[in-house]
Amino acid sequence: GAVVSQHPSWVICKSGTSVKIECRSLDFQATTMFWYRQFPKQSLMLMATSNEGSKATYEQGVEKDKFLINHASLTLSTLTVTSAHPEDSSFYICSAPRAGTEAFFGQGTRLTVV
Amino acid sequence: QKEVEQDPGPLSVPEGAIVSLNCTYSNSAFQYFMWYRQYSRKGPELLMYTYSSGNKEDGRFTAQVDKSSKYISLFIRDSQPSDSATYLCAMWGNAGNMLTFGGGTRLMVKP
Repeated sequence: GAVVSQHPSWVICKSGTSVKIECRSLDFQATTMFWYRQFPKQSLMLMATSNEGSKATYEQGVEKDKFLINHASLTLSTLTVTSAHPEDSSFYICSAPRAGTEAFFGQGTRLTVV
Repeated sequence: QKEVEQDPGPLSVPEGAIVSLNCTYSNSAFQYFMWYRQYSRKGPELLMYTYSSGNKEDGRFTAQVDKSSKYISLFIRDSQPSDSATYLCAMWGNAGNMLTFGGGTRLMVKP
């Protein structure tokens, strides 16, 4: 079964609204989680590293104010896309490493901004 | 040059064929190597995980790591149409938990 749960699996929102995506590690604690964005037929692009109890680390070119990350507990990280625009439409995937070795992915969230 | 190189394919094979998927990398610090399978519009699913050099077998899947050549492989025996997906290699070293991905290889197994 899934060890990392991501919700929602798909969402449609209007331009200018905010969308929150949750990523939960189900049977282990994750002090670090990763958020990726994936465009069609392309590999995953790391957006940010979510750190429990501290600020997220963003990759170059990723807007901190647009993609808000909160890692409130050892099993939950959230990504909020603020003031969403159609160009933010994409597939967002979270990942959590377990015990510093294997990494498991959530099911992904397909965001469509209309 | 990317840190991890992977042929994007598509790779088309008949059902029952042996499939070989490969990645090369340049960072000698990588020690953990993973293969993920990703179906369309789904998150990647961990298939195989290996540490350092050697082989690992799980059912129809065999992962090989050759650190001296900086080359990893995933073999799929008796391939099935349900194996049709994109396969991503990923790896990391001891410093941090951030994965470095290959670009993915799209595999199509035809009945």
